[in-house]
Amino acid sequence: AQTVTQSQPEMSVQEAETVTLSCTYDTSESDYYLFWYKQPPSRQMILVIRQEAYKQQNATENRFSVNFQKAAKSFSLKISDSQLGDAAMYFCAYSFNSGGSNYKLTFGKGTLLTVNP
Amino acid sequence: DARVTQTPRHKVTEMGQEVTMRCQPILGHNTVFWYRQTMMQGLELLAYFRNRAPLDDSGMPKDRFSAEMPDATLATLKIQPSEPRDSAVYFCASGFNSVASEQFFGPGTRLTVL
Repeated sequence: AQTVTQSQPEMSVQEAETVTLSCTYDTSESDYYLFWYKQPPSRQMILVIRQEAYKQQNATENRFSVNFQKAAKSFSLKISDSQLGDAAMYFCAYSFNSGGSNYKLTFGKGTLLTVNP
Repeated sequence: DARVTQTPRHKVTEMGQEVTMRCQPILGHNTVFWYRQTMMQGLELLAYFRNRAPLDDSGMPKDRFSAEMPDATLATLKIQPSEPRDSAVYFCASGFNSVASEQFFGPGTRLTVL
């Protein structure tokens, strides 16, 4: 079964510093995508970044980047120059073929990030 | 600015009552998902549809939950009868049936069953 594990229930970072959120996953698939979603206090889930398993180059979106280690099945999120608006719950997710070319996401339990001024 | 809408945003009801939650997916998306979020279980997939056809509802308690898509612009999730353990935030999301597809989430319905 495909599982996603986020081992850090909570993290904190000082404003303007860098923080890394961890995620590991378990799969026997070769074709998949990995995502990081952000859920601020408003509850709205927002996509932060995504990574294709076949790409060796790590994805980057402005201050957000990932460290994708396929062999280790690790997909961490690095937030640089942290801002107060980055405070949120962050979910790692894995997209896979659930059978019959139907795709769905499996989510980790989330990491609550606090940004201290 | 296309977005997924959900109604109601908040619902308080008494045990045993029927609850109906509605979702309008983004026009053109062919896949719709229903999730439940609780502190204990995190985000759980309840059911999902492709081109309005139900593909998987194995995450739902079958005896009390039902999900339908009467048309391409409306997805519904019903609980009958509701129980206190159903208290949670229910999210609808839509996207395309692709491994790379982002899922676009609605704002959620916070359900409290007394």
